[in-house]
Parts: sequence; C-alpha cells; structure tokens
Amino acid sequence: RKEVEQDPGPFNVPEGATVAFNCTYSNSASQSFFWYRQDCRKEPKLLMSVYSSGNEDGRFTAQLNRASQYISLLIRDSKLSDSATYLCVVLRPGFQKLVFGTGTRLLVSP
Amino acid sequence: DTAVSQTPKYLVTQMGNDKSIKCEQNLGHDTMYWYKQDSKKFLKIMFSYNNKELIINETVPNRFSPKSPDKAHLNLHINSLELGDSAVYFCASSQENRDYEQYFGPGTRLTVT
Repeated sequence: RKEVEQDPGPFNVPEGATVAFNCTYSNSASQSFFWYRQDCRKEPKLLMSVYSSGNEDGRFTAQLNRASQYISLLIRDSKLSDSATYLCVVLRPGFQKLVFGTGTRLLVSP
Repeated sequence: DTAVSQTPKYLVTQMGNDKSIKCEQNLGHDTMYWYKQDSKKFLKIMFSYNNKELIINETVPNRFSPKSPDKAHLNLHINSLELGDSAVYFCASSQENRDYEQYFGPGTRLTVT
C-alpha cells in the first residue's frame, strides 16, 4: 500500500464550481500534512498546511480526519487559474522527510 | 532573482554517459534536496543535505552522487546513465525546522536515449 494515496483524476469542473479532493495516508504516526500545487511542467509549491482543526485560506479549505487517516482539500468558486495538479503531502515522522502523493489533476473550464 | 535555480533545464544524452545537474539557492536555507519525478508524476526524494552534510539518502543506485560544496549549492552527478533515469529532477531547499515548506527549483528534464 502506498504511503500517500490520491485519486489521480482528472476532475473536470466548470468555473464557479466547488470541488473536493481526498487523500489517505497509511502511517498512523504521521503528524504533519500539507497540500502542494504543481502547474503543468512547473515545480511544486506549498499551497497550505492541514491542521487538525481544519484551516481555510480564501476559497481553499483543508481538513484532517485522523481517525480515518484522510486529508481533504475543498476549493470553492473554482477559477480557471486553479487548473493544476494538487499534491497531498505527509511529513514522515522521525525522518523529517516529505512524502508526496501522485497528485490529483484539476481542470477548470469556462 | 530566482530563489532556487537549476542548470541545465533540459538534458538529452545517451545511455552510458555521465552527466551533472547543478543547483543553487539564494534563500539562505540550511537544507537542500534532490527529488525525482518520473513519467507517472510520482515525486520522490533522493537525497537531503543539511549544512553540507548528507542526512537523507534514499534507496538510490550508487551511480547517483550528490555533492554539496557549500550550503547554497547541491549538485547531482549521474554515472553510466540508463533509460530508466529519464525523469524530471527537482532541487529544493528549506529553512531549518521548516522542512515542510520546501522551495523547488524549476526542474531539469533529463532524457536518456
């Protein structure tokens, strides 16, 4: 089983739609979780951290469910510029090493 | 000013050759990394250096040898290139105690023919 698993998509949504991605992780000792964004043929960039209490940054909301070992990212009012691959990332405990999921591709169309 | 830069951006070479990729960061970070992103877009760490010392060395063939001449530079040398080495190689850096916030370079697209 992969350490971090994501639905690869693509998710095709119209502008203005709300879309949610889930990600599961296998190491129950993991403490820190993040979402990175990677545009086509570009480098990954940190989008937001994921806290137990959930956190919101504008149109983006990230949540963590420790019991079920999954992380979610909700994007409201999708924009064309949101089209990208969203990478779920877990900090492997004890090794200070980021483990990336394979990413979920989002395509927002006019 | 580019925060994390890599050269070259594209590298096409034949099997069996030896090549190097260079990385430099001007963020003053203490930790630098090399990642490999394969054709299935899976991004996996290869090496990590902190203040010029190797701290993470994943299961990578010993044909791959990183070198950190100073904490702003981390180069990757690859010997005897194989077809399976074709991938995008990303360099990244982070501040100490903020390993989760990594700044990536633009990537080097390596094609081995």
